[in-house]
Amino acid sequence: SQQGEEDPQALSIQEGENATMNCSYKTSINNLQWYRQNSGRGLVHLILIRSNEREKHSGRLRVTLDTSKKSSSLLITASRAADTASYFCATGGTSYGKLTFGQGTILTVHP
Amino acid sequence: NAGVTQTPKFRVLKTGQSMTLLCAQDMNHEYMYWYRQDPGMGLRLIHYSVGEGTTAKGEVPDGYNVSRLKKQNFLLGLESAAPSQTSVYFCASSIQGINQPQHFGDGTRLSIL
Repeated sequence: SQQGEEDPQALSIQEGENATMNCSYKTSINNLQWYRQNSGRGLVHLILIRSNEREKHSGRLRVTLDTSKKSSSLLITASRAADTASYFCATGGTSYGKLTFGQGTILTVHP
Repeated sequence: NAGVTQTPKFRVLKTGQSMTLLCAQDMNHEYMYWYRQDPGMGLRLIHYSVGEGTTAKGEVPDGYNVSRLKKQNFLLGLESAAPSQTSVYFCASSIQGINQPQHFGDGTRLSIL
């Protein structure tokens, strides 16, 4: 079963625009992570936010976490064509580090 | 620095055949994981290991076996391949469990005819 539900399933924007992806989950978590997957490649870790954190930044990435609403968002500012990829949220809730992944958002950035 | 390496990258099997997928990591990570990725399903955990000599079942373990004889290697075996096991298989590793990112290989694309 999928813990994370991502919205939208697909997002198409122009270069320079901001992209926002949302993730909702059902059970309590220790952390929430975002990953990027380029076509035909493995997942690459982008950012990890712990359950006691509300916002985190990394370069052009901004992640927020609202544990009361069981939701998170990933904002990519000033998007580039190279940001075209699938983005997954994953929730971590157990001691051995098991992650439960959402179905992903396909982001297309047009030059 | 290779990170996580998966072999083979592609494989086609006939129903009933067996095979082993190899995952190797050079980061001295304790934890290793095997996932499968199917269209529209995200990643699902098959088996995982919290250290050399240990293995445990994940979300979808049926039809697969694993072994972790050496810390750097995690093997995934298909005992008798079925068309439902056609998928992309990803291996990942992490330093330890909680609050740590996972590092992924580039996957093995497996087709069962």
